[in-house]
Amino acid sequence: KAGVTQTPRYLIKTRGQQVTLSCSPISGHRSVSWYQQTPGQGLQFLFEYFSETQRNKGNFPGRFSGRQFSNSRSEMNVSTLELGDSALYLCASSSSGTGYEQYFGPGTRLTVT
Amino acid sequence: AQSVTQLDSHVSVSEGTPVLLRCNYSSSYSPSLFWYVQHPNKGLQLLLKYTSAATLVKGINGFEAEFKKSETSFHLTKPSAHMSDAAEYFCVVRSTGNQFYFGTGTSLTVIP
Repeated sequence: KAGVTQTPRYLIKTRGQQVTLSCSPISGHRSVSWYQQTPGQGLQFLFEYFSETQRNKGNFPGRFSGRQFSNSRSEMNVSTLELGDSALYLCASSSSGTGYEQYFGPGTRLTVT
Repeated sequence: AQSVTQLDSHVSVSEGTPVLLRCNYSSSYSPSLFWYVQHPNKGLQLLLKYTSAATLVKGINGFEAEFKKSETSFHLTKPSAHMSDAAEYFCVVRSTGNQFYFGTGTSLTVIP
């Protein structure tokens, strides 16, 4: 099976702009989670989508949003970018079977200037 | 509430010597626990998982971890370190709501 894919891999944006990141989960996986990773804060959970519904949400401002499509692909959007949004954004998918381990994509490196 | 504490932010070992990365967890029920590894500029790779079966869990690349309920620990070990083991390691606990809580990570350095 193909792994989790994320596009784009690298992105440079200007403060105040918005950005959309995409994640394609492993075939058959219905859960997609998003994380933000920075050197100072480590790995922080953004949100999880399961069958097109947001099931869990982390403690991030409303500028961070996401959605999931019927084919389980997911997008996350960040509006009004701030310098502090510069980070590696990781997507992870998991099946609804036992074990519930997550499989991670390579990430999207977002730089806000 | 669930949480994990990785007791060491940095660990250095010589190549060929044992590796011990320590993790304590907090959970109000029998948890699902995981170890992930992240090499520089890469995503996270699952090393092993514990889901209330055998308490000694074997993973990839010679790593294993032992679940000790009495000590609320899930330490990661490897008998002999290899240069390619140098990376960041994360201990993770999963909640019943399928939310994953990550530790702050342990950076492993392997000295040749």
